[in-house]
Amino acid sequence: GENVEQHPSTLSVQEGDSAVIKCTYSDSASNYFPWYKQELGKRPQLIIDIRSNVGEKKDQRIAVTLNKTAKHFSLHITETQPEDSAVYFCAASPQSSGGGADGLTFGKGTHLIIQP
Amino acid sequence: KAGVTQTPRYLIKTRGQQVTLSCSPISGHRSVSWYQQTPGQGLQFLFEYFSETQRNKGNFPGRFSGRQFSNSRSEMNVSTLELGDSALYLCASSLQRGELFFGEGSRLTVL
Repeated sequence: GENVEQHPSTLSVQEGDSAVIKCTYSDSASNYFPWYKQELGKRPQLIIDIRSNVGEKKDQRIAVTLNKTAKHFSLHITETQPEDSAVYFCAASPQSSGGGADGLTFGKGTHLIIQP
Repeated sequence: KAGVTQTPRYLIKTRGQQVTLSCSPISGHRSVSWYQQTPGQGLQFLFEYFSETQRNKGNFPGRFSGRQFSNSRSEMNVSTLELGDSALYLCASSLQRGELFFGEGSRLTVL
């Protein structure tokens, strides 16, 4: 089955600086890579995702890059703000047309701390 | 539109007991998946149901089981509880490929 490794487990950055979280996956059939954000005491929520037919996707201050050859993908957050403090989870899946969780495997999470 | 609803939110059980957790998905969502969340282990996939059929299953012992009803509501059951089963159990529903909408979770404490 798929194995997703996520690093670092904890990341502390100064407010306004950039943060980068990296994930690697093992199954070359994986073609869908979402990122979820979980604030303290709240439910995880999808913040951005990328499919294997693109190399990069941006949404305001967040971006995700994918290198299928190396089997790794990264989340980039620029101009970090206090509300970016949360646990971030990457995931990988060999998405079929069935929808849903469809074999989605999550990394163990990165606790991002934004220092004022 | 109402979000994913999980009940109960909190519960305490003792070793050897069993527990049933319930999840009501967003209206129209036919896929329901369950995850166990513990500190340091992230979100571990338990199983997924789609149209009352188990479509995927994670690497958990047979003590963990689930089902889905015709109205897409789902239940998961854990029998013969162990201390290590203490965790937040999250349910998620989905309509489209990959986007999961999570509930607030059921926090289980096993004493």
